Amino acid sequence: EAGVAQSPRYKIIEKRQSVAFWCNPISGHATLYWYQQILGQGPKLLIQFQNNGVVDDSQLPKDRFSAERLKGVDSTLKIQPAKLEDSAVYLCASSATSGRHLPQETQYFGPGTRLLVL
Amino acid sequence: TQLLEQSPQFLSIQEGENLTVYCNSSSVFSSLQWYRQEPGEGPVLLVTVVTGGEVKKLKRLTFQFGDARKDSSLHITAAQPGDTGLYLCAGRRQIGGTSYGKLTFGQGTILTVHP
Repeated sequence: EAGVAQSPRYKIIEKRQSVAFWCNPISGHATLYWYQQILGQGPKLLIQFQNNGVVDDSQLPKDRFSAERLKGVDSTLKIQPAKLEDSAVYLCASSATSGRHLPQETQYFGPGTRLLVL
Repeated sequence: TQLLEQSPQFLSIQEGENLTVYCNSSSVFSSLQWYRQEPGEGPVLLVTVVTGGEVKKLKRLTFQFGDARKDSSLHITAAQPGDTGLYLCAGRRQIGGTSYGKLTFGQGTILTVHP
């Protein structure tokens, strides 16, 4: 079974530039997550999709971050314009679980995109 | 303020030693998970515990969920260099009825096992 795919793996941009990340979840997984992992910290949820609908985007900085999941499969996360503090690893994860089974949910993570904003 | 506090943040030991990593909170969790993350990769789930007092073993790794479901520990026996990595605990709280909140991660423990 193929895992979660992410691209690019690395990206270096200057502040105020735009950047986009792509994620292809495990086939058949209805739930997709984007996390931000700053060096020395655990992942922080940015946005959760159930199929192509947003379930939770309470921690997404909506003035500069946007995400979409067209057709309920692939997803893109965009930052425009980027700030120095956006330097982090952006992780995509997917899950086949939803609803009342969430406590036992297994999230499968991609390798992440490492973003450096100069 | 971190909802889940992990300790220690860094651990450097010799091969063959035992170690324990702690994950503490003042909040009650419906479930607690432990992940291991290697450099350049995403976290990989090791275990999920859901019952207070629950103990699970995975080869040389022993995971325990506190009786009050506010804390957890990961114990590794006879550590090997292959155990090197970032260990993350993550919890999910019940927010009402059959609704559950998002998965919240601790800041992680970086373990280095020297040959």
